[in-house]
Amino acid sequence: AQKITQTQPGMFVQEKEAVTLDCTYDTSDPSYGLFWYKQPSSGEMIFLIYQGSYDQQNATEGRYSLNFQKARKSANLVISASQLGDSAMYFCAANQFYFGTGTSLTVIP
Amino acid sequence: KAGVTQTPRYLIKTRGQQVTLSCSPISGHRSVSWYQQTPGQGLQFLFEYFSETQRNKGNFPGRFSGRQFSNSRSEMNVSTLELGDSALYLCASTDDTGELFFGEGSRLTVL
Repeated sequence: AQKITQTQPGMFVQEKEAVTLDCTYDTSDPSYGLFWYKQPSSGEMIFLIYQGSYDQQNATEGRYSLNFQKARKSANLVISASQLGDSAMYFCAANQFYFGTGTSLTVIP
Repeated sequence: KAGVTQTPRYLIKTRGQQVTLSCSPISGHRSVSWYQQTPGQGLQFLFEYFSETQRNKGNFPGRFSGRQFSNSRSEMNVSTLELGDSALYLCASTDDTGELFFGEGSRLTVL
């Protein structure tokens, strides 16, 4: 069974500040992948970042980084230098198909 | 490359009817997965097809079914529609990287 938990239904961040979106997961698979996706108000889902369970280093993609703490089963997304265009829903996913309920991020000018 | 195409984009049905949704994946992608998205529930995984075979399945009742054709196009069918089936249905295709490429979705309203 796979369970992904995102405990922050809504978050606000000031423009240019950093923000952390929380994600915890529960999987019995010995090897797994963790993904983050962004869904703007227009509706399309956009892949942001991936972390493999055996990756030694935390994944980074531009302003996105993944704070992976395997023992705590957490895979938090960190967005640095927030921009107004970052306002969107953010979803954490495990093993490709299993998604959390999402966090709505609003960036305040 | 063309993206993932879902049809129809919007549809309205009444309770008890059935509906078929279509998804054309990115060329070369053999895996197609389906999701139901409702407010507060996030994306819930329905099933995944790979090379015409259902490879993974979520926890939805048997009223939800799917299939995949030899050209990787996939269809999803919901029979005996209920009010609670109103949702955005998303399809995604993937290559070997595991990254999902999503379509724009089919928004189903059940009256």
